[in-house]
Amino acid sequence: DTEVTQTPKHLVMGMTNKKSLKCEQHMGHRAMYWYKQKAKKPPELMFVYSYEKLSINESVPSRFSPECPNSSLLNLHLHALQPEDSALYLCASSHLSTSGDEQYFGPGTRLTVT
Amino acid sequence: AQSVTQPDIHITVSEGASLELRCNYSYGATPYLFWYVQSPGQGLQLLLKYFSGDTLVQGIKGFEAEFKRSQSSFNLRKPSVHWSDAAEYFCAVGINNQGGKLIFGQGTELSVKP
Repeated sequence: DTEVTQTPKHLVMGMTNKKSLKCEQHMGHRAMYWYKQKAKKPPELMFVYSYEKLSINESVPSRFSPECPNSSLLNLHLHALQPEDSALYLCASSHLSTSGDEQYFGPGTRLTVT
Repeated sequence: AQSVTQPDIHITVSEGASLELRCNYSYGATPYLFWYVQSPGQGLQLLLKYFSGDTLVQGIKGFEAEFKRSQSSFNLRKPSVHWSDAAEYFCAVGINNQGGKLIFGQGTELSVKP
């Protein structure tokens, strides 16, 4: 099973709302990632969790707050977002193998901030 | 600094014709290289990867890619394109000493003419 699942598929939120995006994998992967992707652009890395600890934060604004409750789950908590935060949010996971490490992506959550 | 260049923003080929998508990378060590495909509004699907060994790698959906160290290239090829191959294609290099971070190229949009 090489599936990464993400919920919800679509999310519309106001600038004062609080919402969360969820990601799950059951491949035994020890690294999980959040990416942001704007239209016609490549994904931009936001956060990396390695062995359930935050290992990379790409200078993401604090209105985005990641959480890794266990090795299979990854959340992204959203609060006081701006319209420019509207994008496709992708989750990915990987083994963290030193001999070569491919990332498997979920289908994404399409976020619209109004 | 590490970078990936995909020189062609948009390519149109006729169905049944051959395809080559170009990718050049800049990285000091031996790179881990990937090609991903993304259909509109979807996540990224891994087509193939190069970690070491044989420089010609086979992937899913009839794609292959050749790693050429002397040219810092990892071009993607397919002998006969199908209409369902129309999508965005991303080349990426894996920075394995940074917890699996991927550096993506800007992408090449493939259109297929009937």
